[in-house]
Amino acid sequence: QKEVEQNSGPLSVPEGAIASLNCTYSDRGSQSFFWYRQYSGKSPELIMFIYSNGDKEDGRFTAQLNKASQYVSLLIRDSQPSDSATYLCAVKDGNKLVFGAGTILRVKS
Amino acid sequence: NAGVTQTPKFRILKIGQSMTLQCTQDMNHNYMYWYRQDPGMGLKLIYYSVGAGITDKGEVPNGYNVSRSTTEDFPLRLELAAPSQTSVYFCASSTGTSGGNEQFFGPGTRLTVL
Repeated sequence: QKEVEQNSGPLSVPEGAIASLNCTYSDRGSQSFFWYRQYSGKSPELIMFIYSNGDKEDGRFTAQLNKASQYVSLLIRDSQPSDSATYLCAVKDGNKLVFGAGTILRVKS
Repeated sequence: NAGVTQTPKFRILKIGQSMTLQCTQDMNHNYMYWYRQDPGMGLKLIYYSVGAGITDKGEVPNGYNVSRSTTEDFPLRLELAAPSQTSVYFCASSTGTSGGNEQFFGPGTRLTVL
């Protein structure tokens, strides 16, 4: 069973700053990684996913993979109060996703 | 396109009662999943299905059962409810194609067992 670890936080950043979220994964052979955002009382929604072949940027969000150290990062530039949520990292495991427990992000205005 | 729908939104059960959580998707996805989410614990996979007639256990299947008779529906059955099953339950679906496997989530069912 693959494992995904995340710091539960909360991570507090001022509005306009860069928020950096990390997760570590146990299986060195993992190739697909996902970041979901979950607002309080709502269901998770996909922000972005990356493959083992490189980083990815989408608007204010950048996902980076460090295969040597087995961690995935999500950078949020120009953080906004609306980015305050729990961010879930997930790793593909066959037909399934294995989720971390999530990191709470708070953006202070 | 309604996406993934779940009913009911909320439910309170007494210990020992049974119930079925309904999940329906209209995206013609082959893959469907049931998760439970306890406070601060992330999503734990209960059961999943890769197509009609095919189901498989996830990480925490004890106390639950599923069936998949159609592509659209994937109900989750709780038999003999216990307080440990108090949680928020999410259903999700995906195309199941290799690579992305983006999962789309329903709004969730908040279940309390007293």
